[in-house]
Amino acid sequence: QQQVKQSPQSLIVQKGGIPIINCAYENTAFDYFPWYQQFPGKGPALLIAIRPDVSEKKEGRFTISFNKSAKQFSLHIMDSQPGDSATYFCAAGGYGGSQGNLIFGKGTKLSVKP
Amino acid sequence: DAGVTQSPTHLIKTRGQHVTLRCSPISGHKSVSWYQQVLGQGPQFIFQYYEKEERGRGNFPDRFSARQFPNYSSELNVNALLLGDSALYLCASSLAAGTREQYFGPGTRLTVT
Repeated sequence: QQQVKQSPQSLIVQKGGIPIINCAYENTAFDYFPWYQQFPGKGPALLIAIRPDVSEKKEGRFTISFNKSAKQFSLHIMDSQPGDSATYFCAAGGYGGSQGNLIFGKGTKLSVKP
Repeated sequence: DAGVTQSPTHLIKTRGQHVTLRCSPISGHKSVSWYQQVLGQGPQFIFQYYEKEERGRGNFPDRFSARQFPNYSSELNVNALLLGDSALYLCASSLAAGTREQYFGPGTRLTVT
């Protein structure tokens, strides 16, 4: 049973555009929601993370919006660049006492055209 | 500063064989988690270790085992390899078992033929 649903599967934007990637979760015990960026042949890199007591968090060009009542969160990339082309994963964690267990979405392949 | 290191980078094994993958966490980090990432999917949790003890286990068969050493490095062992075990195996380190932030290594690409 998939506990974190991510959409869209792929996304193409022009340079300078603002891609938005959405995730929804089911388990209300989750209390940590990170986003990872992965380039081909590399491991995922932690981009930004949020906890449920905050509705928005910004780090550089990356912003997480969090809607606790809807059990949804999203990643916005401001002024996107071709170098942002990668696969992005949302994740959720912190439930069931096993805090090392992050549940990942299936990923969104982002392509930023010059 | 060195990040998470994993070895080997790539590995090709035959069905039925066993494999050992290795991970060294970021200096000062005491917890290691292992994930399996099948092509086109997100990473899936296998194990978490902290202070040499297993703190969590995902939905993987008993063919998968792991351990952590006094220097906090870790090994993942997989016995009786199946074709379906072909994947990128990722190690993530964190400061402690209760620390949320996890930092991934580059992974070991395992191909089972």
